[in-house]
Amino acid sequence: DIVMTQTPLSSPVTLGQPASISCRSSQSLVHSDGNTYLSWLQQRPGQPPRLLIYKISNRFSGVPDRFSGSGAGTDFTLKISRVEAEDVGVYYCTQATQFPYTFGQGTKLEIK
Amino acid sequence: QVQLVESGGGVVQPGGSLRLSCAASGFTFSSYGFHWVRQSPGKGLEWVAFIRFDGSATCYADSVKGRFTISRDNSKNTLYLQMNSLRDEDTAVYYCAKEGVDYWGQGTLVTVSP
Repeated sequence: DIVMTQTPLSSPVTLGQPASISCRSSQSLVHSDGNTYLSWLQQRPGQPPRLLIYKISNRFSGVPDRFSGSGAGTDFTLKISRVEAEDVGVYYCTQATQFPYTFGQGTKLEIK
Repeated sequence: QVQLVESGGGVVQPGGSLRLSCAASGFTFSSYGFHWVRQSPGKGLEWVAFIRFDGSATCYADSVKGRFTISRDNSKNTLYLQMNSLRDEDTAVYYCAKEGVDYWGQGTLVTVSP
């Protein structure tokens, strides 16, 4: 199975400041079709997960442009350019390159 | 708009069975694969199972293989998860998610307790 490792596990951030979460996979996420199926999910308290970013860097419909994704191969990053109060929650990276699909442990974003 | 609504959760004894449903609307259900993903209380996300758009192929996590069965009825726009031989560690909120994990339901809580 592909192991997804996120850092940090907790991220206290000041409103208006940037935040960054890293995700590393135990093997390359490049699929045989040439795509890299790495996504980022946000889970606000008491809510189901919500897709933010798919295939490394594509923002899903309705996702604010302060969210961006980057990376390649085994190393990926989610960045929030200016954190807002509504961004509080847990962020997960997930891979869909190979079954079983796997998730990172989650990174809790909180406001300082 | 896309809607996924899970139902069927509840309290069940170890060794018991439960069937979850996920009713879909707002899109062409029969064109997409679906996942079940679970989340134990206070924990992270765990992928459980996947079914292709036409039901022709399924895939399971090792932790549920042989005990859980994912299925679908495209005429009813509904996804199912039959859970047998339930264990304490199956206690979780179960979410259905559309292929690509782009849309999720609100989840249904399954509690396995004596």
